[in-house]
Amino acid sequence: GQQVMQIPQYQHVQEGEDFTTYCNSSTTLSNIQWYKQRPGGHPVFLIQLVKSGEVKKQKRLTFQFGEAKKNSSLHITATQTTDVGTYFCAGPKAGGTSYGKLTFGQGTILTVHP
Amino acid sequence: DAGVIQSPRHEVTEMGQEVTLRCKPISGHNSLFWYRQTMMRGLELLIYFNNNVPIDDSGMPEDRFSAKMPNASFSTLKIQPSEPRDSAVYFCASTSRRAGELFFGEGSRLTVL
Repeated sequence: GQQVMQIPQYQHVQEGEDFTTYCNSSTTLSNIQWYKQRPGGHPVFLIQLVKSGEVKKQKRLTFQFGEAKKNSSLHITATQTTDVGTYFCAGPKAGGTSYGKLTFGQGTILTVHP
Repeated sequence: DAGVIQSPRHEVTEMGQEVTLRCKPISGHNSLFWYRQTMMRGLELLIYFNNNVPIDDSGMPEDRFSAKMPNASFSTLKIQPSEPRDSAVYFCASTSRRAGELFFGEGSRLTVL
């Protein structure tokens, strides 16, 4: 079955440092979505990328979708303590007929030391 | 607008007891998903419904788990009998073709002693 892997599993940074998490799928994805889960909270949608090679920015966050639509990355510039949480990538298998059926990566837990 | 509403938020029960988790999706969303989250296994899709019809329940761990969606505004996930290894946070999420992304409820944290 489809597998989505994320690295690293954990990342500890000093406030102000950059952070990157990588996502790799065993199958081609029709799109990639990113979610953030604060400690004790629930996953919250951040963004969706659809096109091969697409790059999107949200303030200090930069999201990329690979050319082959099998990998993606999230980069945070100058982390802040509010960035603490687990970042998940998720994607539906390309060619699937059921929208919303996502396979989630195991997530990258980000801690930021002030 | 109200988001996805789950109840109870916390449930502590003893092994062997029946557990029922409830979910009210966002109005107008026609797809509903039940996920389970644990440290070991991450977010696992248990079952999902389209237009109240179960489409894929291949993630349901075993026959002790069952889910229903009697109408567009309500779904239940039942565990009978519960076991300690069922302890997890259970999330309900909903979406629509127009929305695309999943909207998660705040989750039900289940502890089975």
